[in-house]
Amino acid sequence: DAGVTQSPTHLIKTRGQHVTLRCSPISGHKSVSWYQQVLGQGPQFIFQYYEKEERGRGNFPDRFSARQFPNYSSELNVNALLLGDSALYLCASSLGTSGSYEQFFGPGTRLTVL
Amino acid sequence: GEDVEQSLFLSVREGDSSVINCTYTDSSSTYLYWYKQEPGAGLQLLTYIFSNMDMKQDQRLTVLLNKKDKHLSLRIADTQTGDSAIYFCAFYNAGNMLTFGGGTRLMVKP
Repeated sequence: DAGVTQSPTHLIKTRGQHVTLRCSPISGHKSVSWYQQVLGQGPQFIFQYYEKEERGRGNFPDRFSARQFPNYSSELNVNALLLGDSALYLCASSLGTSGSYEQFFGPGTRLTVL
Repeated sequence: GEDVEQSLFLSVREGDSSVINCTYTDSSSTYLYWYKQEPGAGLQLLTYIFSNMDMKQDQRLTVLLNKKDKHLSLRIADTQTGDSAIYFCAFYNAGNMLTFGGGTRLMVKP
């Protein structure tokens, strides 16, 4: 069975540009969460979606947005990129939203902003 | 995250035990987790403990929870070179967001 997949693997953008990152959850998982992991730090929660609705939002500016599609895949969009947005972006899927459901993480998309 | 603290680095010899510590300021989480991250890979859930437990053993892994002191630890017995990775503690905060510590890099010397 395929795990969580993310695309692209790596991405290089310049300041001010826009980026879209994609995530496909494990089959049957209806919840997708996004995390930002800056080099040398732990992951920071950005968003959680369940059944196409936003269920949680971390402390990130409005430049960050996301959505979930009917097939439960998800996109994370970041506008007006800043140098500080350079990070590994992780997607995780789970059956539900509570802590009793294990989150399975994808390999991440490494974004470099120049 | 600022609510969770971990030491940055731990070095042990192969075959020794490793103890990775985590302190937190607040947690309403029912579960507290330990994740492992190897280079170039995503996060892997290693083990977890219910907040009403003091200890959980899972093969080579032992998790200890001291709720009074807000301290969580992960002990790896008979540490192997394949255990070299970054280890994160994590829990759900009051906003139901999964909050991670900064990670502890474990280096196992042969």
